Amino acid sequence: NAGVTQTPKFQVLKTGQSMTLQCAQDMNHNSMYWYRQDPGMGLRLIYYSASEGTTDKGEVPNGYNVSRLNKREFSLRLESAAPSQTSVYFCASSEYGTGGYEQYFGPGTRLTVT
Amino acid sequence: SQQGEEDPQALSIQEGENATMNCSYKTSINNLQWYRQNSGRGLVHLILIRSNEREKHSGRLRVTLDTSKKSSSLLITASRAADTASYFCATESSGTYKYIFGTGTRLKVLA
Repeated sequence: NAGVTQTPKFQVLKTGQSMTLQCAQDMNHNSMYWYRQDPGMGLRLIYYSASEGTTDKGEVPNGYNVSRLNKREFSLRLESAAPSQTSVYFCASSEYGTGGYEQYFGPGTRLTVT
Repeated sequence: SQQGEEDPQALSIQEGENATMNCSYKTSINNLQWYRQNSGRGLVHLILIRSNEREKHSGRLRVTLDTSKKSSSLLITASRAADTASYFCATESSGTYKYIFGTGTRLKVLA
């Protein structure tokens, strides 16, 4: 099992460019999440999907959109990148979103916006 | 805003010593989890404690939860150099599907 995979691993964008971060899990989990981590900080929730077909905003959703393509895949889109979106992005999944199920994390995407 | 705040922000100890880190949170929770992160990699789950539990053990880890004080502590006994990492608490608030992560404690274990 690959667990949670993310592509790309690294990306450099210019201000105003758009891109989509891809995430896939092979554990048949219902819930998936997107976080960002800034230097020396904890993770902040951008969006989450409690189950296939549903998405909801987290703490810092502005400037992002998401798509839960199917049960396996959850993508994060930056429509017009800004330097403030320079960060490391982590995707995670869990069997269920509530009830105390551990989250499994991908390796992260390091995004720099110049 | 961050739900959990870890204390201390950084901790440096000798191999073999115990490491204790604390997490405080603001709202009622269903459960609290601790995660470890090595060098900017993805987080790895360590242990979960539910709101009706007071203490839990897993190998060299001991977690306590005091819901009246809205705080939790993680104790790593007989630390090893391989325990060098950042440790985060994450809380699931009652009635939500969201986990809120704290700011983390950076632990350095010196060989």
